[in-house]
Amino acid sequence: GAVVSQHPSWVICKSGTSVKIECRSLDFQATTMFWYRQFPKQSLMLMATSNEGSKATYEQGVEKDKFLINHASLTLSTLTVTSAHPEDSSFYICSATRGKGEKLFFGSGTQLSVL
Amino acid sequence: GDSVTQMEGPVTLSEEAFLTINCTYTATGYPSLFWYVQYPGEGLQLLLKATKADDKGSNKGFEATYRKETTSFHLEKGSVQVSDSAVYFCALRMKTSYDKVIFGPGTSLSVIP
Repeated sequence: GAVVSQHPSWVICKSGTSVKIECRSLDFQATTMFWYRQFPKQSLMLMATSNEGSKATYEQGVEKDKFLINHASLTLSTLTVTSAHPEDSSFYICSATRGKGEKLFFGSGTQLSVL
Repeated sequence: GDSVTQMEGPVTLSEEAFLTINCTYTATGYPSLFWYVQYPGEGLQLLLKATKADDKGSNKGFEATYRKETTSFHLEKGSVQVSDSAVYFCALRMKTSYDKVIFGPGTSLSVIP
């Protein structure tokens, strides 16, 4: 089956630093990747959609300059939380689709804690 | 904007009870609809899907029918098991100017023996 690898699984950082989260499709080419944020006991909030080689499309209310998304290849997308603050602490999840398929394959998520 | 609404949880049922989890959506076009499930300690995985009106998705005894007239995609199972205890998410996928997948708030289900 299709596997999406997300790293790191957890990260603790100081306020003001930047954190990069990687999302890789290990055995397929991911034409589209989605980045979500999940608060405790809440649903996944779509942050942005990224397509290989083009700029990400951000959802309303998500700061583009704060959450930098790069989808440089068909197997890798990165989310960089710039100048992180405690309110950015959350669980971030990436997912990917394979070709024109409808099914999403999810990474295992990254728990970010900003001190 | 596009959105998904689910019934509030948590839901607690006895084993072999009938399950319904309501899901309704708002979309500007004709989305594909999904149910994803998250078992304790695991990531989300697709349970079933339907891509057009009147389609019925089914898997593991669960069913949901895409009802365009009521903009609904309710999840049902005739006889739940303890192993069905999980969080269930209804979702829609729209491909208009760009591709997006939006999730509902999730419904936690606990099945007791």
